[in-house]
Amino acid sequence: DAKTTQPPSMDCAEGRAANLPCNHSTISGNEYVYWYRQIHSQGPQYIIHGLKNNETNEMASLIITEDRKSSTLILPHATLRDTAVYYCIVRGLPNNDMRFGAGTRLTVKP
Amino acid sequence: DAGITQSPRHKVTETGTPVTLRCHQTENHRYMYWYRQDPGHGLRLIHYSYGVKDTDKGEVSDGYSVSRSKTEDFLLTLESATSSQTSVYFCAISRTEQGTGELFFGEGSRLTVL
Repeated sequence: DAKTTQPPSMDCAEGRAANLPCNHSTISGNEYVYWYRQIHSQGPQYIIHGLKNNETNEMASLIITEDRKSSTLILPHATLRDTAVYYCIVRGLPNNDMRFGAGTRLTVKP
Repeated sequence: DAGITQSPRHKVTETGTPVTLRCHQTENHRYMYWYRQDPGHGLRLIHYSYGVKDTDKGEVSDGYSVSRSKTEDFLLTLESATSSQTSVYFCAISRTEQGTGELFFGEGSRLTVL
């Protein structure tokens, strides 16, 4: 699986959009980009995933660059409850190993 | 709620003792996983299962064994616990038949080996 690079930490003001970047320059054609988050010591929570097109669901939007070497997770209106560690993962098929790195610690401030 | 229950949620044990962690799912999915999480290492895959009696090793399988005698239960065993196995253990399932797609995690089991 391709390696990902994320900033270790970010801050965001409550109510503003949180844009979390991820670099995955070695991604190959059949690898998907996944985003998870982990709030405090709870189990990781799936947010969204995509292959090449931008994706949106009720939680977030995922923007993948045309060359697929980077992506951005967007939380449109961050709340204090969005404070968590966010993980960007690249996963190929049929690989069953979803590898989590250190992630980005997002702190939403009032 | 992904229908995953881990037990025990917290355990303190002594070096050299056997420990078994249980992951129970209510949704009858084929793929189940065990991860451990340690500061500075993120989550790392220990073992996974793709059906009854079908298991495979992950990134950090040494010192661990698993068993899956029923679809709903995936057991992780530490035959002789060591202090380096102090960690938080997460079970996960995949809801797709091929184990693709997103994973859904349990709430974790915190193990302390003294």
